[in-house]
Amino acid sequence: DAKTTQPTSMDCAEGRAANLPCNHSTISGNEYVYWYRQIHSQGPQYIIHGLKNNETNEMASLIITEDRKSSTLILPHATLRDTAVYYCIVRVSVPTGGGNKLTFGTGTQLKVEL
Amino acid sequence: DARVTQTPRHKVTEMGQEVTMRCQPILGHNTVFWYRQTMMQGLELLAYFRNRAPLDDSGMPKDRFSAEMPDATLATLKIQPSEPRDSAVYFCASGDWGGNTDTQYFGPGTRLTVL
Repeated sequence: DAKTTQPTSMDCAEGRAANLPCNHSTISGNEYVYWYRQIHSQGPQYIIHGLKNNETNEMASLIITEDRKSSTLILPHATLRDTAVYYCIVRVSVPTGGGNKLTFGTGTQLKVEL
Repeated sequence: DARVTQTPRHKVTEMGQEVTMRCQPILGHNTVFWYRQTMMQGLELLAYFRNRAPLDDSGMPKDRFSAEMPDATLATLKIQPSEPRDSAVYFCASGDWGGNTDTQYFGPGTRLTVL
């Protein structure tokens, strides 16, 4: 699985958009970009994933660059409850399904403040 | 709302004792993962099962750790004998390989302290 690089930490004001970047310059054509987050003392939680098109769900949006070497997770209106470590993970998803192992890096600690 | 459950949530034991952690995956999921999280190493995969068969346990110290799935509703992770360096939070997760959802669901974890 391709390696990812994320900033160690970021701050965001409550109500503002949080934009979390991730570099994955060695990504392969059949590798997807996944985002999980881990709120303190809880298990990781799936947020979103994508291959090459931008994706949006009720939690966030995922913007993947055309060359797929980087992506950005966007939380459109961050709240205090979004304070967590956000992990960007690249892995193959063939066949589709949640039964493929995840390799976690160090992630980005997002702190949402008043 | 389907969830992965883990027991116990907290365990304090003395070095040399046996520790057994249990996980109930989401009903219908065919893949179960065991992860360990420490401050130094972060989240690391220990082992995982598909359809109850072990697929990969290369992340697990073989001499003291063992993982099993006695049935589809129960996965266990055992440490014998335990050592202080095993102190960590152990997470179980389940997923549906080949299914319609690409989400891996994590349990709340077992916080293990070995004195």
